[in-house]
Amino acid sequence: ETGVTQTPRHLVMGMTNKKSLKCEQHLGHNAMYWYKQSAKKPLELMFVYNFKEQTENNSVPSRFSPECPNSSHLFLHLHTLQPEDSALYLCASSQLEGHTGELFFGEGSRLTVL
Amino acid sequence: GQNIDQPTEMTATEGAIVQINCTYQTSGFNGLFWYQQHAGEAPTFLSYNVLDGLEEKGRFSSFLSRSKGYSYLLLKELQMKDSASYLCAVRDGDYKLSFGAGTTVTVRA
Repeated sequence: ETGVTQTPRHLVMGMTNKKSLKCEQHLGHNAMYWYKQSAKKPLELMFVYNFKEQTENNSVPSRFSPECPNSSHLFLHLHTLQPEDSALYLCASSQLEGHTGELFFGEGSRLTVL
Repeated sequence: GQNIDQPTEMTATEGAIVQINCTYQTSGFNGLFWYQQHAGEAPTFLSYNVLDGLEEKGRFSSFLSRSKGYSYLLLKELQMKDSASYLCAVRDGDYKLSFGAGTTVTVRA
């Protein structure tokens, strides 16, 4: 496995379900991110983990709960979601203090909330 | 807050040149990025500008003017595989990127 991998690629859930999205990076980076991508809208930064500590929480509703057990893994726990939460959830990683510090993205998890 | 504007859609012919403009108003500036995203795929890094001027990478070039809050991505010798969404993003601190809504480029034969 190389780069940033996300599972599952597609997820359909009801409003009362609990599910989790998983992200793993194989690049040795020290920061990981969750972004939300909705059609025709800019990517929205949700959470940032810098050296495993959460350093950003952009007023995300508590029904989204991130977890970063180590610098290679990132989870997004989902519970009692709303239909408007349907979107593509992108995980990314970067090397802080690197040359450009660009983000490397995973393929995304396409979430549909019924 | 951040304000990053780019056109929604552009269409061009195979072999032609297309220029995608991006204007930004941000509280800080620590680099501007361009990403390419094909439908159903992850965004991939194309270019990075932190100083004024032109950065060239094969068929793709990116320009930055910090005083004008302006950048463009130039795609030359367009190929069908260049049909994708192109995202402009500005970093305003150590790590936080703010993105524009993306420009969908359609290349016609």
